[in-house]
Amino acid sequence: QTVVTQEPSFSVSPGGTVTLTCGLSSGSVSTSYYPSWYQQTPGQAPRTLIYSTNTRSSGVPDRFSGSILGNKAALTITGAQADDESTYFCVLYMGSASWVFGGGTKLTVL
Amino acid sequence: QVTLKESGPVLVKPTETLTLTCTVSGFSLSKPRMGVSWIRQPPGKALEWLAHIFSNDEKSYNTSLKSRLTISKDASKSQVVLTMTNVDPVDTATYYCARGWLVYDSWGQGILVTVSS
Repeated sequence: QTVVTQEPSFSVSPGGTVTLTCGLSSGSVSTSYYPSWYQQTPGQAPRTLIYSTNTRSSGVPDRFSGSILGNKAALTITGAQADDESTYFCVLYMGSASWVFGGGTKLTVL
Repeated sequence: QVTLKESGPVLVKPTETLTLTCTVSGFSLSKPRMGVSWIRQPPGKALEWLAHIFSNDEKSYNTSLKSRLTISKDASKSQVVLTMTNVDPVDTATYYCARGWLVYDSWGQGILVTVSS
């Protein structure tokens, strides 16, 4: 069974830059997986950040960006702010109308 | 404005069947290329995709849960329904419905369902 991998946790200083990644247990992530990224704070529904690898959802600041880095999808936050402290999930489209979520990365801003 | 809202029981007993309803507004479930997924999140854990239904009524399921899930829609009522049979305490989770296909652009608030005797 396909597993989508993410770093369990990450830390960034206020104003700093951090890159979170989204990989596959077997194989490489490409644009064909239409990677998307979601931000979630405790008790809240996810918020859509990035879709189709690098398209920002409406209202998302441009300090959030998506890309493919090597064999993984990546979410980069430039100029991290305190309210970026959240859990970030990626999801990959596996074809045949099926999706797999990653385990999420808990980002701490300190 | 697009909204989705989940409804259903908050407590079910093991072995029972869980039925959840997602009521949508601001868009039509009949609109081409439109779809709705059910996604769940056990407390403190990751999101898990469960099932999807397209506007043409095509359906897809998480292979590990396929035998227990049924997704359906009633476009006239703007509702998408998920049933899960033979629930177990491990099915305790917040269940979300979300609109989209290659991106989930709108999410419901979620409903916490506890499976316990």
